[in-house]
Amino acid sequence: GAGVSQSPSNKVTEKGKDVELRCDPISGHTALYWYRQSLGQGLEFLIYFQGNSAPDKSGLPSDRFSAERTGGSVSTLTIQRTQQEDSAVYLCASSTRTGAGTEAFFGQGTRLTVV
Amino acid sequence: SQKIEQNSEALNIQEGKTATLTCNYTNYSPAYLQWYRQDPGRGPVFLLLIRENEKEKRKERLKVTFDTTLKQSLFHITASQPADSATYLCALKAAGNKLTFGGGTRVLVKP
Repeated sequence: GAGVSQSPSNKVTEKGKDVELRCDPISGHTALYWYRQSLGQGLEFLIYFQGNSAPDKSGLPSDRFSAERTGGSVSTLTIQRTQQEDSAVYLCASSTRTGAGTEAFFGQGTRLTVV
Repeated sequence: SQKIEQNSEALNIQEGKTATLTCNYTNYSPAYLQWYRQDPGRGPVFLLLIRENEKEKRKERLKVTFDTTLKQSLFHITASQPADSATYLCALKAAGNKLTFGGGTRVLVKP
């Protein structure tokens, strides 16, 4: 695609429900990142995928959060048993490779509201 | 612990003046540093990358410096315009190649 695509753009869910957020990176990009951004705050790193390597999950805030990347392309971030503090914008980014300092391209984000 | 710090206070500046933003980092040894712009409701957009062996980088009205001794990067917007109003974020690659961001500085250019 022309850019990084995220869906849905907005999601309202009840506390305790599970949600899945989807990211379609730019075709051919081997690196994929997930970030969380609370209102007025910076980007909080969640997880990073690079090619076929094991993902860096060091930013996931709890075991309720998980992510996978199928076929080296589309990624899904799953939040189980959502809590109100999970409300934030979830941003996905992709880049061609990591070692050469290439830029990251971001999607528009998914705004998650837990009520 | 590793930190990337940007001034969290908004920077209000008059149109035509130069805006200067600071990015300080601790416990990193980055090979390069990136700057992004973020508008409300949108994802960040890449602006500039500067490598550790570069002292200064320019792109149109933007200038970035990188001092690895001071562990600091400065981001300048010269001849600022109201359209430059946005949040600006610096980013570094942490261990394991994960791209880590500072908290961002909001810039408001008044006509």
